[in-house]
Amino acid sequence: DGGITQSPKYLFRKEGQNVTLSCEQNLNHDAMYWYRQDPGQGLRLIYYSQIVNDFQKGDIAEGYSVSREKKESFPLTVTSAQKNPTAFYLCASSMGLATFPYEQYFGPGTRLTVT
Amino acid sequence: QQQVKQSPQSLIVQKGGISIINCAYENTAFDYFPWYQQFPGKGPALLIAIRPDVSEKKEGRFTISFNKSAKQFSLHIMDSQPGDSATYFCAASKSGATNKLIFGTGTLLAVQP
Repeated sequence: DGGITQSPKYLFRKEGQNVTLSCEQNLNHDAMYWYRQDPGQGLRLIYYSQIVNDFQKGDIAEGYSVSREKKESFPLTVTSAQKNPTAFYLCASSMGLATFPYEQYFGPGTRLTVT
Repeated sequence: QQQVKQSPQSLIVQKGGISIINCAYENTAFDYFPWYQQFPGKGPALLIAIRPDVSEKKEGRFTISFNKSAKQFSLHIMDSQPGDSATYFCAASKSGATNKLIFGTGTLLAVQP
């Protein structure tokens, strides 16, 4: 089956700890994205990557870091510098940043709770 | 100018009725307008999308109406079913160097049996 997998589905961490969320896709998509979703808000872009070893900050990148060492993988690290990390995190991919069709396909999400 | 404003925040419709969700944008450079459907605890799924060269696109019970001059677009769900109960997000993007989607804040739809 082609698609995007995110793991784990639920993640619990203590305040002050860094945590890494996994995102893998087998759609052969060039572009990958990380979004954060909070209740009553739309999706907000954290980071995005067009190609391997390249990524750009989105609208709310502070307190987050990413890497793109493989085309299939785009892990997100939530650092202790992120002031309000508890949220639902969504990974997405698309054929390319400037490639039509522009559809972004989403993974099932990881719910992170930091106490 | 990057915002996409979505309304209503929540919507209750009777089974068989028409659900209508509206979005408005300001950036005239936007040229791709998708709608996503999200069930609780799941990732959003692309429902239907439109480009500004057409005023309407229909897929099954779902229709996007697009008004370029008013900078508005809407989702119509005909013959709404309880299984349509979900959160719906509109979005917009500008083709070119990047394909960053700007999302609306979502509409929680409840279809009552």
